Amino acid sequence: DAGITQSPRHKVTETGTPVTLRCHQTENHRYMYWYRQDPGHGLRLIHYSYGVKDTDKGEVSDGYSVSRSKTEDFLLTLESATSSQTSVYFCAISEAQMNTEAFFGQGTRLTVV
Amino acid sequence: GENVEQHPSTLSVQEGDSAVIKCTYSDSASNYFPWYKQELGKGPQLIIDIRSNVGEKKDQRIAVTLNKTAKHFSLHITETQPEDSAVYFCAASIRQGAQKLVFGQGTRLTINP
Repeated sequence: DAGITQSPRHKVTETGTPVTLRCHQTENHRYMYWYRQDPGHGLRLIHYSYGVKDTDKGEVSDGYSVSRSKTEDFLLTLESATSSQTSVYFCAISEAQMNTEAFFGQGTRLTVV
Repeated sequence: GENVEQHPSTLSVQEGDSAVIKCTYSDSASNYFPWYKQELGKGPQLIIDIRSNVGEKKDQRIAVTLNKTAKHFSLHITETQPEDSAVYFCAASIRQGAQKLVFGQGTRLTINP
């Protein structure tokens, strides 16, 4: 398995609180991605990074921010969690842009109550 | 925006029979089409991919076909086995800034013994 670790694996938080999810890779891949997975929607891209301090928005970026201060770490922050952000979040990495294999982490199940 | 439609959402087949999952995409510039398998509690894992300069690709019991004119591609699994039971996602590459993947909604495949 590709060296990707997501933490935490499970989290329950209250509406309005900030939450940070972490993705750590040991593959030295340039590209990192955050997706959310919801029934009937497949995987939707939230934000992605194409290098240290280089990030851009995906299709569902509202309410989320990201940071990448080191090659190996990509953080996803929910500034003020809402119930609509209850989801399973996946981090992915790829060596090149998304026309090569992407490797996914195990996922983080986030529940906002 | 660009989207990928995947059908069916659920599929149940007898062990040993074939399974086919179909996807259509909207961006005529898409040139990379991966298929991912997701087992319960795990992240998606690439099982096969195809590029736009190829019409068909096989890997043992799995094959993918691509029709660029019609903008659709399909996953074929022959001689299905219980371990093929999982959720399968198709995806297509799009270029919005960096190249990214847009995923289909997923197909839950159940192999009945």
